[in-house]
Amino acid sequence: DTEVTQTPKHLVMGMTNKKSLKCEQHMGHRAMYWYKQKAKKPPELMFVYSYEKLSINESVPSRFSPECPNSSLLNLHLHALQPEDSALYLCASSQTVGRTQETQYFGPGTRLLVL
Amino acid sequence: SQQGEEDPQALSIQEGENATMNCSYKTSINNLQWYRQNSGRGLVHLILIRSNEREKHSGRLRVTLDTSKKSSSLLITASRAADTASYFCATDFGSARQLTFGSGTQLTVLP
Repeated sequence: DTEVTQTPKHLVMGMTNKKSLKCEQHMGHRAMYWYKQKAKKPPELMFVYSYEKLSINESVPSRFSPECPNSSLLNLHLHALQPEDSALYLCASSQTVGRTQETQYFGPGTRLLVL
Repeated sequence: SQQGEEDPQALSIQEGENATMNCSYKTSINNLQWYRQNSGRGLVHLILIRSNEREKHSGRLRVTLDTSKKSSSLLITASRAADTASYFCATDFGSARQLTFGSGTQLTVLP
């Protein structure tokens, strides 16, 4: 199974809502990532988890809160978002986060719209 | 900040033609990868080339790497309409433990 799944596919939320994005992989990968991608732009790294521990936080606002409950699951909790946070949120995984970066496997993304 | 810049930004060709995309980067790398993204979907890994390699093939894909010029190219031969997508290079450099994506090339293959 070389699949990374993400739910929901689409999400519309108001600025006062709290919602969560979910990501799951069963490839035994020990590194998982959250990216944000605006239209016609490359993905931008938000967070990296290595062995269920947060190893990189790219100065993301606190209204985004990641969580890694176990080695297969990655969540992104959203609270008090702004309209400019509307984007495609991509989850990815790789075998490890080592000295050199390996192939990353991406989920299909969650298209988020903040009203 | 972006490590890689790609050109052209957009490329439109006829089915059966070859498509070449270029990626330039700024600092020494451990490896360089190419990914494809269909509209609004996740990215799919195409090929990884390490800093000590100069050329790599995978099916209709050919990737070259010139570390002296800090550049890479992706050649898709005998293109098909299904190759229509955005193509991104991604570099792994230093001890960053992360990938940094280039600006991307939007390829359109006309039937």
